[in-house]
Amino acid sequence: GENVGLHLPTLSVQEGDNSIINCAYSNSASDYFIWYKQESGKGPQFIIDIRSNMDKRQGQRVTVLLNKTVKHLSLQIAATQPGDSAVYFCAEIHMNTGFQKLVFGTGTRLLVSP
Amino acid sequence: DGGITQSPKYLFRKEGQNVTLSCEQNLNHDAMYWYRQDPGQGLRLIYYSQIVNDFQKGDIAEGYSVSREKKESFPLTVTSAQKNPTAFYLCASSRVQEQFFGPGTRLTVL
Repeated sequence: GENVGLHLPTLSVQEGDNSIINCAYSNSASDYFIWYKQESGKGPQFIIDIRSNMDKRQGQRVTVLLNKTVKHLSLQIAATQPGDSAVYFCAEIHMNTGFQKLVFGTGTRLLVSP
Repeated sequence: DGGITQSPKYLFRKEGQNVTLSCEQNLNHDAMYWYRQDPGQGLRLIYYSQIVNDFQKGDIAEGYSVSREKKESFPLTVTSAQKNPTAFYLCASSRVQEQFFGPGTRLTVL
């Protein structure tokens, strides 16, 4: 069945460190993956996305890596800042007759200490 | 200033009452979605609408109803049939792949 999950529920890092948040998925037919950041009491915010025909994509301070062989997705945040503290979700998109259904993992909480 | 708005931010309901959560978007997106989020959990899809006057059940539609009379609006009604309605409700809209989320409504049943 469909399953998108995360290896670590909580990740604690020091300010300035690099952070790596991992995500495993089981549906190899997914077309697209998105990382979202959710701060307490707010809706998820888009961070970065990657198509299934890519293995790496870089943004500002963030990099997403996709390993289709082992069905693994990761989000790397460089020089982590206290403002990066939030819950991070990976989401997997299945295109179904034109409708994009997102399947979300349970999330990883990132705690950044000054 | 484009975006998605949800109201109210906090909502309290007595058992047995129906309540309606508002979701409005001015992004000109065709598709809209409602999700439910429980503490420490991911998002679960309640209903979605790909176009005006059309909507489909998601994974957890029981006890909820929606309407899509206008492109900009996709209200969600939590009925008394929903046995455990206390949760954080998120509305989203999309045009292509990316879904944009509203700020959410926290519903508490007293």
